[in-house]
Amino acid sequence: AQSVAQPEDQVNVAEGNPLTVKCTYSVSGNPYLFWYVQYPNRGLQFLLKYITGDNLVKGSYGFEAEFNKSQTSFHLKKPSALVSDSALYFCAVRDLNTGFQKLVFGTGTRLLVSP
Amino acid sequence: ETGVTQTPRHLVMGMTNKKSLKCEQHLGHNAMYWYKQSAKKPLELMFVYSLEERVENNSVPSRFSPECPNSSHLFLHLHTLQPEDSALYLCASSQDRMGASYEQYFGPGTRLTVT
Repeated sequence: AQSVAQPEDQVNVAEGNPLTVKCTYSVSGNPYLFWYVQYPNRGLQFLLKYITGDNLVKGSYGFEAEFNKSQTSFHLKKPSALVSDSALYFCAVRDLNTGFQKLVFGTGTRLLVSP
Repeated sequence: ETGVTQTPRHLVMGMTNKKSLKCEQHLGHNAMYWYKQSAKKPLELMFVYSLEERVENNSVPSRFSPECPNSSHLFLHLHTLQPEDSALYLCASSQDRMGASYEQYFGPGTRLTVT
């Protein structure tokens, strides 16, 4: 079965410092990977995706993610964190065992950026 | 309006009430989804409609009844709910085409409280 794991419940970082939110995946076949962000009392917002091609994927709000096949990881990164980046982040993988666009989500990582 | 909208944003209902959640997407997508988000639990996929046909019913109790009258609208009819059904209900939409992977776009959610 396709799955993703987010090993950290919470990540704390000071404003201006680089941030990393970790995600590892387990799939049979080629992985299609996604990152979403959820602000309080809001739905999930799409940040970026990896389908194929360059291992470094750039997304919205200055975020990027690095696909690493040998480590089965897809970590989310940002060179300089903002207080407004504080939110809940979800990694997801496309479930290729279904004929429709089913995504399997991780449990989420809360990012807290302190001033 | 743009994107995916959901009404109402908040709903309090008794266990014997009947209510409906509404979702509308303005993105020209052909697939729509209902998710349940509870505290401390992964996002749960409930129902999927692709081209207005239900393609997934993820073992959801019959007190939840979806309806998709056209590709832009999705409803979730609720009756005789239980307190454990209190959660944030998220609607999403995406393109759905064989051989490709598309991101899903989420609405802001309906916060449901069952008393």
